[in-house]
Amino acid sequence: GEDVEQSLFLSVREGDSSVINCTYTDSSSTYLYWYKQEPGAGLQLLTYIFSNMDMKQDQRLTVLLNKKDKHLSLRIADTQTGDSAIYFCAENNSGNTPLVFGKGTRLSVIA
Amino acid sequence: DAGVIQSPRHEVTEMGQEVTLRCKPISGHNSLFWYRQTMMRGLELLIYFNNNVPIDDSGMPEDRFSAKMPNASFSTLKIQPSEPRDSAVYFCASSSGTGDGYTFGSGTRLTVV
Repeated sequence: GEDVEQSLFLSVREGDSSVINCTYTDSSSTYLYWYKQEPGAGLQLLTYIFSNMDMKQDQRLTVLLNKKDKHLSLRIADTQTGDSAIYFCAENNSGNTPLVFGKGTRLSVIA
Repeated sequence: DAGVIQSPRHEVTEMGQEVTLRCKPISGHNSLFWYRQTMMRGLELLIYFNNNVPIDDSGMPEDRFSAKMPNASFSTLKIQPSEPRDSAVYFCASSSGTGDGYTFGSGTRLTVV
């Protein structure tokens, strides 16, 4: 079945850039997403990218997609302490099918 | 828009009791998903509905779990009887089907003692 893999932990210093990586197995993935979960909260959609795109930028966030290698990354520029959270990569192949999530990457920002 | 609304936010119940979790999706969204989150297993899809019809319930752990969506604005997830291993955060999410992502509710934290 489909699988999404992420590293579990990332620690960065405040002001540095963070890069969270994700790999997926489903070659028919059409939509790829990044969600953020703060402690005790639900999942918040950060950004998404269609499989026919290579890059998407939204303020401090940059998403890069290498479809050949099935690799997705999320770069957070000028990381702040408020960015500390768990970041989930997810994919599906249509808007009405379930998202397949990775296990999440816990980002810790050191002041 | 108030987003996806789940109730209750927290539920503590004794083993063997029936538990009902509730979800109100975003108006106009035609897909609804129930997920369970635990430390050990991460986010697991339990069941999803398109246009109020259950499409895939293969993620429902056992017959003790059941879900309904009687109309476009309401869904329930019921556990009867509940067991301690059901303790988790249960999330409901809805989607418009346009590929711009799901909106998650704040979740129900269930503790079965």
